[in-house]
Amino acid sequence: QSVLTQPPSVSAAPGQKVTISCSGSSSNIGNNYVSWYQQLPGTAPRLLIYDNNKRPSGIPDRFSGSKSGTSATLGITGLQTGDEADYYCGTWDTTLSPGGIFGGGTKLTVL
Amino acid sequence: QVQVVESGGGVVQPGRSLRLSCAASGFTFSTYGMHWVRQAPGKGLEWVAVIWYDGSTKYYADSVKGRFTISRDNSKNTLYLQMNSLRAEDTAVYYCARDPPYSNSLGLDYWGQGTLVTVSS
Repeated sequence: QSVLTQPPSVSAAPGQKVTISCSGSSSNIGNNYVSWYQQLPGTAPRLLIYDNNKRPSGIPDRFSGSKSGTSATLGITGLQTGDEADYYCGTWDTTLSPGGIFGGGTKLTVL
Repeated sequence: QVQVVESGGGVVQPGRSLRLSCAASGFTFSTYGMHWVRQAPGKGLEWVAVIWYDGSTKYYADSVKGRFTISRDNSKNTLYLQMNSLRAEDTAVYYCARDPPYSNSLGLDYWGQGTLVTVSS
């Protein structure tokens, strides 16, 4: 069970908007920046969002990120069938044993 | 173009060792932190280890601490993961990933295609 909690699955129709939540604690999300990844079947993860709300070059503005307290949210607007994938949040955990952590992942189904 | 390519995976018996390599190209390797991340079959991502750009600092997941060692050779643009005392639960695809200096988060911007490690007798 991951330290960061994500819903196992979300779904929405093409063209609609969906949000994916990521809940943590003060030792991780509460005091660190959050990143988001998309993983299409059989491929390596792709960085969508870093530092809570910044998009790397080439990532469309349909993808957005936000953070409040110990939770973060990924938003995707104008859903496309090609967005169907697993999505992961990630951050640092600064407990006695610092390191990276990922959420358990959320499967997005575009109906 | 930026590329990171893992190698060294395979089938290994429990208790044995394996060394993974990650060859980097298309960027100044010596200025980037590097990570190993793994994914067990059908499971989510698990962060494994990080090494600072100059090798001065390393952190490990509790699940591999004391068994795995991350290292790098900046003269060869190569990242390594020495895995000892392997267990069945270490079976996974292992990815290396680049950590850009502009990111304050776990914002890994380039990933390899992964190399599969299977621990089985």
